[in-house]
Amino acid sequence: DAKTTQPPSMDCAEGRAANLPCNHSTISGNEYVYWYRQIHSQGPQYIIHGLKNNETNEMASLIITEDRKSSTLILPHATLRDTAVYYCIVSPHSGGGADGLTFGKGTHLIIQP
Amino acid sequence: EAQVTQNPRYLITVTGKKLTVTCSQNMNHEYMSWYRQDPGLGLRQIYYSMNVEVTDKGDVPEGYKVSRKEKRNFPLILESPSPNQTSLYFCASSSVTGANVLTFGAGSRLTVL
Repeated sequence: DAKTTQPPSMDCAEGRAANLPCNHSTISGNEYVYWYRQIHSQGPQYIIHGLKNNETNEMASLIITEDRKSSTLILPHATLRDTAVYYCIVSPHSGGGADGLTFGKGTHLIIQP
Repeated sequence: EAQVTQNPRYLITVTGKKLTVTCSQNMNHEYMSWYRQDPGLGLRQIYYSMNVEVTDKGDVPEGYKVSRKEKRNFPLILESPSPNQTSLYFCASSSVTGANVLTFGAGSRLTVL
């Protein structure tokens, strides 16, 4: 898997958009960008993934730069329940198993009231 | 409700006493895996299974066994637990087509004295 770089922590005010950056400069052509989050000691939760186009779902938006070397996860209206560690992971989509996800240290996002 | 169920959620045991952590999913997923999470080391894959009767080692398989006799179940077996297996364990599953879109269980916190 290509490695990712994320800031260790970020703060965001409740109600504002939270923008979480991720650098993945060595990403391969067949690798997707995945985002997961983990609320304290709970099981990680899948958020969104994409290859090269921007993606949006009910939880978040994913913006991938044209050269695919970085991406940003956007939580449009952060709430206190969004406080969690957010993991950016790059991996082939059809992998699983030995080509499965490698979780790094992630970004600890703290939503301030 | 689609979910991955792990039991027990909490367990304190002693060195050498065999134990099994069960994992069951109700989504008819082919792929299942086990992770452990330790402070400073993140999530690491122990074993995975691509389908019934097909299992393989992840990054940290030493001291663990698994079996996949039925599609829905993927138990993690510690034949002779040791204190270095004290950890938070997560089971996860996905469909083969969405192999890296994982649904995680709530976790099992194991303490080996």
